[in-house]
Amino acid sequence: EPEVTQTPSHQVTQMGQEVILRCVPISNHLYFYWYRQILGQKVEFLVSFYNNEISEKSEIFDDQFSVERPDGSNFTLKIRSTKLEDSAMYFCASSEALDYGYTFGSGTRLTVV
Amino acid sequence: KNEVEQSPQNLTAQEGEFITINCSYSVGISALHWLQQHPGGGIVSLFMLSSGKKKHGRLIATINIQEKHSSLHITASHPRDSAVYICAVRRDQGAQKLVFGQGTRLTINP
Repeated sequence: EPEVTQTPSHQVTQMGQEVILRCVPISNHLYFYWYRQILGQKVEFLVSFYNNEISEKSEIFDDQFSVERPDGSNFTLKIRSTKLEDSAMYFCASSEALDYGYTFGSGTRLTVV
Repeated sequence: KNEVEQSPQNLTAQEGEFITINCSYSVGISALHWLQQHPGGGIVSLFMLSSGKKKHGRLIATINIQEKHSSLHITASHPRDSAVYICAVRRDQGAQKLVFGQGTRLTINP
């Protein structure tokens, strides 16, 4: 069965450093998403991406965050100057269309120290 | 107030029991998703519903659009069903994001 692949699975970074989280969505999917889950809390939406541009973003997704689909297969989330409160599990997901199911990646656990 | 509420928050049962997890939402939706989150953190999509009922193996999901309520049932529960079950909705009117409930932690004892 096709998978959404996320790398790395774990990342530890110092506060103020930039991190890039990588995702390879399923090849025929058109919608791509980043969500995050702070430990012990519910999953929160960050951003959706369609047709090579951001189609929806949350209040969390401020200027510190950016997304790119640089080569038609990878989908990246960049956090420019990490803060302690960015520590969370970050999930990439993709779907074929809006009214189709999602496939989630296994997540990247980001720890900011 | 949370847009998506699940109950119970925690549920412990014996192997073989019939399990029901409930989800209520307060907004108009185009679809409701049931997801399973394993202890390692990974999320697996179980169902996407916009009306009626769906069944996959021992899992059944139902939705009542008028009452803004959905249930996830597990028949003949097994310890491997132990996980967090999450309800998430996609609002209507063109929204793309999912809004998540807080999850129900299910533990099935042998």
